[in-house]
Amino acid sequence: AQSVSQHNHHVILSEAASLELGCNYSYGGTVNLFWYVQYPGQHLQLLLKYFSGDPLVKGIKGFEAEFIKSKFSFNLRKPSVQWSDTAEYFCAGTPNTGNQFYFGTGTSLTVIP
Amino acid sequence: SAVISQKPSRDICQRGTSLTIQCQVDSQVTMMFWYRQQPGQSLTLIATANQGSEATYESGFVIDKFPISRPNLTFSTLTVSNMSPEDSSIYLCSVEDETATTNEKLFFGSGTQLSVL
Repeated sequence: AQSVSQHNHHVILSEAASLELGCNYSYGGTVNLFWYVQYPGQHLQLLLKYFSGDPLVKGIKGFEAEFIKSKFSFNLRKPSVQWSDTAEYFCAGTPNTGNQFYFGTGTSLTVIP
Repeated sequence: SAVISQKPSRDICQRGTSLTIQCQVDSQVTMMFWYRQQPGQSLTLIATANQGSEATYESGFVIDKFPISRPNLTFSTLTVSNMSPEDSSIYLCSVEDETATTNEKLFFGSGTQLSVL
């Protein structure tokens, strides 16, 4: 079955620490992958997306993600987090054919000043 | 965690017709959201639906085109009216479950794949 899984449910970091959030997908064909962020009290916003090409994707606010096909992974990274990065992060994927959109369960990130 | 049932999962419609998408939640929730993802684009919020009040629409979306009902705390519908091919998209229902005991408070339906001919 097609799915997206996030293994870190809740992450707590101090400011300036490095961040890596795991995301794995299960789909045999071509897939489009996304990371979304939801800040407290706000709706989802797109951080970055991968459709094809360079597997290292850079997004807004210093975030990046690397698509590793052999590992079915699309982990989100940021070298130095800030308190303002406290939010819920969602990995999502959709097959290139445009079928249903699959979200991970989300990772809650808390950054301590 | 909230379980969301969204239907239909997909539909193919003729230009000029309307489609109503249903979102059923297995628990009472205050906040429900409707999103759209057009091919090759990111997820876009259409509106926020709160029980007992009119939906709040985001810029670029109007009630005449996307009427929303929220008759109770477990159910909402989104209608795509007078459809055109540009409305072909995935439509997602989302809820914020304030009673969730984990940090996973945002839940999504599986989406409705709409194709307009």
